[in-house]
Amino acid sequence: DAGVIQSPRHEVTEMGQEVTLRCKPISGHNSLFWYRQTMMRGLELLIYFNNNVPIDDSGMPEDRFSAKMPNASFSTLKIQPSEPRDSAVYFCASSNGLTLLNTGELFFGEGSRLTVL
Amino acid sequence: GIQVEQSPPDLILQEGANSTLRCNFSDSVNNLQWFHQNPWGQLINLFYIPSGTKQNGRLSATTVATERYSLLYISSSQTTDSGVYFCAVERLGNTGKLIFGQGTTLQVKP
Repeated sequence: DAGVIQSPRHEVTEMGQEVTLRCKPISGHNSLFWYRQTMMRGLELLIYFNNNVPIDDSGMPEDRFSAKMPNASFSTLKIQPSEPRDSAVYFCASSNGLTLLNTGELFFGEGSRLTVL
Repeated sequence: GIQVEQSPPDLILQEGANSTLRCNFSDSVNNLQWFHQNPWGQLINLFYIPSGTKQNGRLSATTVATERYSLLYISSSQTTDSGVYFCAVERLGNTGKLIFGQGTTLQVKP
C-alpha cells in the first residue's frame, strides 16, 4: 500500500512568493496532520484535521499560513507571502485511529524541504 | 504543556554494541510512539507503545506509563541504525497533539 505522499520534495523560492505544499494521506485514514521541523524548534505540530475538518490550528505560526482539506485524499498547506524564517522541512502525517481519546498511530510522508531566499 | 525529555542527546557506538535510549514525560499519556529519522530525513515508525513491551527484530521498547518513561533497546547495532530517534507522546485528554522530544542522535561506526 502507498504511504503518505507529499509534493514537492524540494522547493526553493524567493521571499514574498506563495508556496503550496501538498499531501495525500494513506487511503482509509481519518486524520491528517501537518508538522514543521527546524533545527531550533524540532518537530512542531501546525494543524490537524479529522474527517476533513480542521480541529486544532493553534500551532499555525501566523496568518500567512493556511491549510485546507477539501476531501479525504488531499490536503494543502499554503504560505503567503513566504519569508526566509519559513525555511524548514514540512511533514504531513495521517492516522486511522483518531477517536475522542487517542490519536492512534501516525505515519509520516517523506517531507517537503522549503528554502525561502 | 507536556514535557518530553530524551537521553542521551548523542550516542556513538561501535557496530555490534547494544544501547538503551530513554524518554521521560511529565504527564499521563495515552499514546506514545518511537520513530527513527534516517540520514535522508525519513521518519519511520518503530513502535506504537502507550504501555507494555514490544519487540521487532533487534529493537524492543518498554513503556511504564505509571512512572512516565519509555525505553528503546537496540541490540547488535548496525551502521544502518544511525540517525535520530524520536519519542512522541500524547497527553491524556489532549487528543490529536502528538508532542515530540528533541531526539537522540545515534552514530554507529563500522
